[in-house]
Amino acid sequence: NAGVTQTPKFQVLKTGQSMTLQCAQDMNHEYMSWYRQDPGMGLRLIHYSVGAGITDQGEVPNGYNVSRSTTEDFPLRLLSAAPSQTSVYFCASSISGRGYQETQYFGPGTRLLVL
Amino acid sequence: SQQGEEDPQALSIQEGENATMNCSYKTSINNLQWYRQNSGRGLVHLILIRSNEREKHSGRLRVTLDTSKKSSSLLITASRAADTASYFCATGASADGLTFGKGTHLIIQP
Repeated sequence: NAGVTQTPKFQVLKTGQSMTLQCAQDMNHEYMSWYRQDPGMGLRLIHYSVGAGITDQGEVPNGYNVSRSTTEDFPLRLLSAAPSQTSVYFCASSISGRGYQETQYFGPGTRLLVL
Repeated sequence: SQQGEEDPQALSIQEGENATMNCSYKTSINNLQWYRQNSGRGLVHLILIRSNEREKHSGRLRVTLDTSKKSSSLLITASRAADTASYFCATGASADGLTFGKGTHLIIQP
């Protein structure tokens, strides 16, 4: 199993551009989530999904959209990038829909720089 | 807002010594988890301890949980250079996922 994969590894955007960060898992996990990590801030939850077709907002959802059309994929869309979205983005998954009760498996991260 | 807060923010010890990190949180939890992050990498799960448990072991790792004080500690015994990393506690309290602290940066001096 590849586990949780994320693409791209690194991306530079200009303010106002849009892009999609990809996340995929091959473990048949129901729960998937997106976090951002900023220096000195730890990880903050952006959006999460407890199963295909179901998504919900986390702590810092503004400026981001998600969808979950399949169990495997959970893309994160930046509609109009802003410098404040410069961060490292991590995707994570866990076995059942009760993600907060379980071990999270993290991807390697995507480093995003918005100029 | 971040629920867990690790202490200290940074810790430097000699190889072979024990390292202790603490985590405090604010609200009732279902479980508390510890993760390790090597520089530039993703997070790796270390231990999950549920609210009805007081202590858990995994290899050289020992985690305690005191729900009355809303605190947890992670002990790494006989530290190695490879233990150099940032360590995060994360609390699971509600359906919207884990809440992470800011981390303890551990440096093991050879």
